[in-house]
Amino acid sequence: AQSVTQLGSHVSVSEGALVLLRCNYSSSVPPYLFWYVQYPNQGLQLLLKYTSAATLVKGINGFEAEFKKSETSFHLTKPSAHMSDAAEYFCAVRSGSYKLIFGSGTRLLVRP
Amino acid sequence: DARVTQTPRDKVTEMGQEVTMRCQPILGHNTVFWYRQTMMQGLELLAYFRNRAPLDDSGMPKDRFSAEMPDATLATLKIQPSEPRDSAVYFCASSTDGVYEQYFGPGTRLTVT
Repeated sequence: AQSVTQLGSHVSVSEGALVLLRCNYSSSVPPYLFWYVQYPNQGLQLLLKYTSAATLVKGINGFEAEFKKSETSFHLTKPSAHMSDAAEYFCAVRSGSYKLIFGSGTRLLVRP
Repeated sequence: DARVTQTPRDKVTEMGQEVTMRCQPILGHNTVFWYRQTMMQGLELLAYFRNRAPLDDSGMPKDRFSAEMPDATLATLKIQPSEPRDSAVYFCASSTDGVYEQYFGPGTRLTVT
């Protein structure tokens, strides 16, 4: 069965600092992995996806994630946080032909 | 810019009333998902359809919730009768074959008093 675990329900960084949001996955098949972002009062928006091509995936808004099979991880990073990055971030893994299994989310707070 | 649309955006109703939420998936997408999001439970998958046929509705309370796709451009989620514990944000998402990412609508915020 597929699952994802997001370490840290809340992460706080200073503006300009590195953002690191952690996601570990479990999958019985080659995983397809996703990061979504949810801004207040909005739906989830796709940030980036890994579908077995390059292990370093670049997404929108300067985010990127690296697939590490040996560590079963797909952590999300951004070199320099901006105030507008404050949001909730969800990691997800494909399950079966159609479903995504979402993590519990990590709320990112950016301090001025 | 293709988007998933949902109506209404906000709904306040009294306990016992029927609630209907509507979703228009992205044109050409053949898989539609209904999610519920609460602070306590997070994001829960309620049901999903492929080519208008229900594939899995095991996440839905069967006695009061129902989901349908009358046609390829409309998905509905009904709650009858509604209860205060149904208060949540309900999201619709769509995708298509070979594309695993899902595209989410803006959600319907339901408050049952």
